Amino acid sequence: EAGVTQFPSHSVIEKGQTVTLRCDPISGHDNLYWYRRVMGKEIKFLLHFVKESKQDESGMPNNRFLAERTGGTYSTLKVQPAELEDSGVYFCASSQGSGVGNIQYFGAGTRLSVL
Amino acid sequence: AQSVSQHNHHVILSEAASLELGCNYSYGGTVNLFWYVQYPGQHLQLLLKYFSGDPLVKGIKGFEAEFIKSKFSFNLRKPSVQWSDTAEYFCAGLGWDMRFGAGTRLTVKP
Repeated sequence: EAGVTQFPSHSVIEKGQTVTLRCDPISGHDNLYWYRRVMGKEIKFLLHFVKESKQDESGMPNNRFLAERTGGTYSTLKVQPAELEDSGVYFCASSQGSGVGNIQYFGAGTRLSVL
Repeated sequence: AQSVSQHNHHVILSEAASLELGCNYSYGGTVNLFWYVQYPGQHLQLLLKYFSGDPLVKGIKGFEAEFIKSKFSFNLRKPSVQWSDTAEYFCAGLGWDMRFGAGTRLTVKP
């Protein structure tokens, strides 16, 4: 069974450009999460999808970030326009259920470098 | 405020040494706690989890952790580390929302 896959593994862009990150969850997992780790800091929650609906987007830093999950399968996270402080590693995770008692399975992350 | 904190940012050990990585949490409700590991270039993998029951939980690769409610701690231990344990370790969990510690980078010297 395939795990959570993320693409690309690394993206280098200039300030002001647009980048789209993709996450394919484990098949059958309704719950999909995005997290971000800025260098040296803790991994922080961005948002949570249940199927195609945004359950919680309280961690999204600002309106330059747009996450979608059309059809409830894969998800994209677009940053437009990118700023220097957006650099970091973006993790995606998926789980069957949500909340207490569930395990989130993580992808390898996308390292975003904004120059 | 809800939080998970890890005490050590970087730990360097020689092979066969014993390991203990600290993790404390701040949360008033029922907790779920996890330790994840990220080997270089790989995804975050679940080492072990605590949901309820026996506070001493055993995970993969010889790791274990003990949930001590009175100390709000969930420290990770391994009696004898190997070079292949070199990785970054994350404590995570709490209630509905997943909170992470800042991570501990472990370097095991051969």
